[in-house]
Amino acid sequence: DAKTTQPPSMDCAEGRAANLPCNHSTISGNEYVYWYRQIHSQGPQYIIHGLKNNETNEMASLIITEDRKSSTLILPHATLRDTAVYYCIVRVSNSGYALNFGKGTSLLVTP
Amino acid sequence: NAGVTQTPKFRILKIGQSMTLQCTQDMNHNYMYWYRQDPGMGLKLIYYSVGAGITDKGEVPNGYNVSRSTTEDFPLRLELAAPSQTSVYFCASSYFAGAGYNEQFFGPGTRLTVL
Repeated sequence: DAKTTQPPSMDCAEGRAANLPCNHSTISGNEYVYWYRQIHSQGPQYIIHGLKNNETNEMASLIITEDRKSSTLILPHATLRDTAVYYCIVRVSNSGYALNFGKGTSLLVTP
Repeated sequence: NAGVTQTPKFRILKIGQSMTLQCTQDMNHNYMYWYRQDPGMGLKLIYYSVGAGITDKGEVPNGYNVSRSTTEDFPLRLELAAPSQTSVYFCASSYFAGAGYNEQFFGPGTRLTVL
């Protein structure tokens, strides 16, 4: 199963773009990259997912490199409410498509 | 829709006691999961179910049991509670119909302390 590597923590000023990197060098061709976040120990919340192409929704953008070995989650205009732990995930294919959570990146958005 | 609901929100157990963590979803999802999260760590899969009557072990199943008699409910049973089971427990569900997208929806969690 593909594993991911993320920086343990990052800071971002409110109103600026937050760019969260993730390495997944062992990802296989049919594995998606998912991003979830967890605010204040609440249940994780889905943000976005992608396979090969860049993706955008109302919350964020996902940029995946052409070789698919890394990706970047972009929060275009970070707010204080975006302070959370962000998880880059490649699902565990042999366990009911469960999510394989690492430690994630703790993003602190400052005023 | 209420989504995924979990009860209780908090619980303190003594060593050796047993309890059941309840999880219910009203989205008609076929897949359901139990995860645990220790302080400062990511979530780890305990058990999962791909439909009523079908369950299987995840990464950390020891000390737990599950059942799935209905689509909506997926209770997690702790037998002979131990301090190592002190954690936050999250239930999740998703609808899976083949390869591709399957967003998981999470409940608010149950915070369990075993003393």
